[in-house]
Amino acid sequence: EPEVTQTPSHQVTQMGQEVILRCVPISNHLYFYWYRQILGQKVEFLVSFYNNEISEKSEIFDDQFSVERPDGSNFTLKIRSTKLEDSAMYFCASSAQGQTSGTGELFFGEGSRLTVL
Amino acid sequence: AQSVTQLGSHVSVSEGALVLLRCNYSSSVPPYLFWYVQYPNQGLQLLLKYTSAATLVKGINGFEAEFKKSETSFHLTKPSAHMSDAAEYFCAVSEHGQNFVFGPGTRLSVLP
Repeated sequence: EPEVTQTPSHQVTQMGQEVILRCVPISNHLYFYWYRQILGQKVEFLVSFYNNEISEKSEIFDDQFSVERPDGSNFTLKIRSTKLEDSAMYFCASSAQGQTSGTGELFFGEGSRLTVL
Repeated sequence: AQSVTQLGSHVSVSEGALVLLRCNYSSSVPPYLFWYVQYPNQGLQLLLKYTSAATLVKGINGFEAEFKKSETSFHLTKPSAHMSDAAEYFCAVSEHGQNFVFGPGTRLSVLP
């Protein structure tokens, strides 16, 4: 069964360092997302990506964050200069459908846990 | 903009008892509604979804949910709880399959 895969599963970094989290969405999907979940808190939307550009982003997704789909298979989230409050589980998700078709189900990866010291 | 509320951040039931997890939503268009489950240290797994077909939706692991437009609700139920059901449950709403918004989650504990 196709699945979304994320690497690394856990990364520890020093405050101020750059981090790149990688995701391989399901191959025929068109919409890609990053969510994060701070320990014990709700799942928060960060950004959605379609047709090689950001389609929507939340207030959390400030200039420190960027996304890229460099090669048609990977979908990356970069945090330019990490802060302590960036410590969270980051989930990648993908979806096949657009606005007029399908059921809009998001398929999630297992997450990348980021710990900023 | 759509939103989701989940009444009760933590619900405890005895093994074999009815599970009822509440979800209410607001949406400016007919919504798509989802329940996801998160087991400890794992990702989010889809339990079931409502996409404007039958209002009673059956999902995996014996769970089901009923869409009630008049109450703007999509409560999750299971007739008999099992120890393996202990997890965090998230209700989510989307508009036409995009703009997903998750509720704050309900942690389900199952007591022996």
